[in-house]
Amino acid sequence: AQSVSQHNHHVILSEAASLELGCNYSYGGTVNLFWYVQYPGQHLQLLLKYFSGDPLVKGIKGFEAEFIKSKFSFNLRKPSVQWSDTAEYFCAVNAGNYGQNFVFGPGTRLSVLP
Amino acid sequence: EAGVTQFPSHSVIEKGQTVTLRCDPISGHDNLYWYRRVMGKEIKFLLHFVKESKQDESGMPNNRFLAERTGGTYSTLKVQPAELEDSGVYFCASSTQFGYGYTFGSGTRLTVV
Repeated sequence: AQSVSQHNHHVILSEAASLELGCNYSYGGTVNLFWYVQYPGQHLQLLLKYFSGDPLVKGIKGFEAEFIKSKFSFNLRKPSVQWSDTAEYFCAVNAGNYGQNFVFGPGTRLSVLP
Repeated sequence: EAGVTQFPSHSVIEKGQTVTLRCDPISGHDNLYWYRRVMGKEIKFLLHFVKESKQDESGMPNNRFLAERTGGTYSTLKVQPAELEDSGVYFCASSTQFGYGYTFGSGTRLTVV
């Protein structure tokens, strides 16, 4: 069965600090990888996704993630965070067909201090 | 384009009562999914409809949960009778026939007291 782990439960940063949120997954086959964000009071929004090709993917709002197949990892990064990045971040995978259901990580809460 | 709409946004019910959650997917999306997040845990898959048919209901926790999708349009998720451990946020998502445009709703926060 697929599983997803995220390295940190809660991360606190000051504005302009760099961010890296860790994500590892457990699945032996082909996977699609995603990062979702949920801002306070809002719905889950897609930040970025990886299906194939260049393992460094760029998403919205200056976020990027790198797929390292040998490490089963898909870490999220942003060089300089803003107060508005305060949210909960979820790593997710699905197997093969994009139409299949997601397996989510437990989420990482990011608090950015002004 | 309207997104995935869920209502109510919040529901507080007593243990033993019945609650029905509704999800309106994006028009034209054949795939509809239900997920839930209980307090402090992962968002977990409940079930997947393709049009009006249940494609995968492996995540449904027990027979107190009943999901329907009338005519392949909106879906309801009924919990009867509700238990304390059912408290959490219930998310709905939809996507096209080939899985594109996967979009989540804002969720229904269910509190069972």
